[in-house]
Amino acid sequence: AQSVTQLDSQVPVFEEAPVELRCNYSSSVSVYLFWYVQYPNQGLQLLLKYLSGSTLVKGINGFEAEFNKSQTSFHLRKPSVHISDTAEYFCAVSERGGSYIPTFGRGTSLIVHP
Amino acid sequence: AAGVIQSPRHLIKEKRETATLKCYPIPRHDTVYWYQQGPGQDPQFLISFYEKMQSDKGSIPDRFSAQQFSDYHSELNMSSLELGDSALYFCASSPTPGGQGPSSGANVLTFGAGSRLTVL
Repeated sequence: AQSVTQLDSQVPVFEEAPVELRCNYSSSVSVYLFWYVQYPNQGLQLLLKYLSGSTLVKGINGFEAEFNKSQTSFHLRKPSVHISDTAEYFCAVSERGGSYIPTFGRGTSLIVHP
Repeated sequence: AAGVIQSPRHLIKEKRETATLKCYPIPRHDTVYWYQQGPGQDPQFLISFYEKMQSDKGSIPDRFSAQQFSDYHSELNMSSLELGDSALYFCASSPTPGGQGPSSGANVLTFGAGSRLTVL
C-alpha cells in the first residue's frame, strides 16, 4: 500500500518570496502523483499531476513540481507567492495498475504574509 | 464546464439521527468516490463505485452505506450518527480507472465542494 508524507504542517512565507512544499511517498510499484489545493471552506482543486513523461510538471497558478524517483519525492514549488495562495495543500499518490484510489498526505498550510 | 455537484452543502443533525448526502458526477464520469475529512485532517477514502457496483472500500464505518444509481449519481447514507462523524464529506468522480494507457489521466479525480455535516 502507498503512503504520503508531507514534512511540513505549516509554511509561513512573505509575499513575492519563493516557496517549496515537500512531499515524499512510499510505494512498492510505480505511482501517479498529485497536488491538490483547498481554499478555506472549499473543495479540493487539482493543481497539477504527474502521470508519466517529463519529471517537471507545471500546473495552474504558477505552481510546478518535480518527480524524483530516486528520492521518492514530489515537491511543489512556486517562485513568487501571492496572498491569494494562502491555502491548504495536499499531496496525493495512487498506484499504477492498482485500485487507483489516491491516498492523501496530512496537508501543508501555506500562509502568505504581506 | 460542469463540475461535481454535492448536496446539501451544510447539514446539522442530532446524535443517533440519520443523514443522506448526494453526489452528481461530471457527465460521462462513471466512477464515484467518497472521502471524509475531519477537522484539520487529511481526506480519508471511504468507498467508491464503478458502473453502479462497489469497486473499492476504505475506512467506511458499518453505520454508513452508499450506492450508485443508474444515472451515476451516488448517495451516502449515514445512520446512528455520532459526534465524531462531524466532518466535511467530499465526493469525487473520474472516468473509468485504468483508461487507455499510463497518461490517460483516467484516475484523476475531480472533487466536489463538499458537504459539511455537523452532529450535535
